[in-house]
Amino acid sequence: DSGVTQTPKHLITATGQRVTLRCSPRSGDLSVYWYQQSLDQGLQFLIQYYNGEERAKGNILERFSAQQFPDLHSELNLSSLELGDSALYFCASNEGRWQETQYFGPGTRLLVL
Amino acid sequence: AQTVTQSQPEMSVQEAETVTLSCTYDTSESNYYLFWYKQPPSRQMILVIRQEAYKQQNATENRFSVNFQKAAKSFSLKISDSQLGDTAMYFCAFTRISNFGNEKLTFGTGTRLTIIP
Repeated sequence: DSGVTQTPKHLITATGQRVTLRCSPRSGDLSVYWYQQSLDQGLQFLIQYYNGEERAKGNILERFSAQQFPDLHSELNLSSLELGDSALYFCASNEGRWQETQYFGPGTRLLVL
Repeated sequence: AQTVTQSQPEMSVQEAETVTLSCTYDTSESNYYLFWYKQPPSRQMILVIRQEAYKQQNATENRFSVNFQKAAKSFSLKISDSQLGDTAMYFCAFTRISNFGNEKLTFGTGTRLTIIP
């Protein structure tokens, strides 16, 4: 158990819908990272937050957004969902100040029908 | 931009044997970290081993060790005395060292390793 939690574990929805994925980092971690794992794109970095502020953006679609709240949990919002958004979404965390390992949550498996 | 290449999509080995997974990377950075992550059928991403580029000594974690060749930009993972629980997808990953703290991981495409009983 990495100490990072993600909810829900599975999500099935329809095209055009909006969903919210939630991540709680390890105790004491200030930095949260979101990654998408799909069959055709592999593991890709989406976005990073550090202590409530956006730190870096990767290949995140405009239909996707994220935020980190004062209690340091983070949410990834996916809207106008398409079939191609079906993937495993991971959250990872670390303290964020030095070059530490990122610890991954169990992931949220999203299926868009 | 950094790239990570894993040229072995699949490998299999008999239980108790030794297997080596290959990884090469391309970067203009001089300071960075390299990782191997394991993803078993549960899909959880689990850290196997970490190597700091500034360290000349190869990292070792129990049965897992790396061969880090900085000049060749090569970072292979050796698994000794392989066990059935080692069956998983293995990802090589890179992160650069920044003055602003931690940055993203760039992953390779993975190697699917099967341990045969």
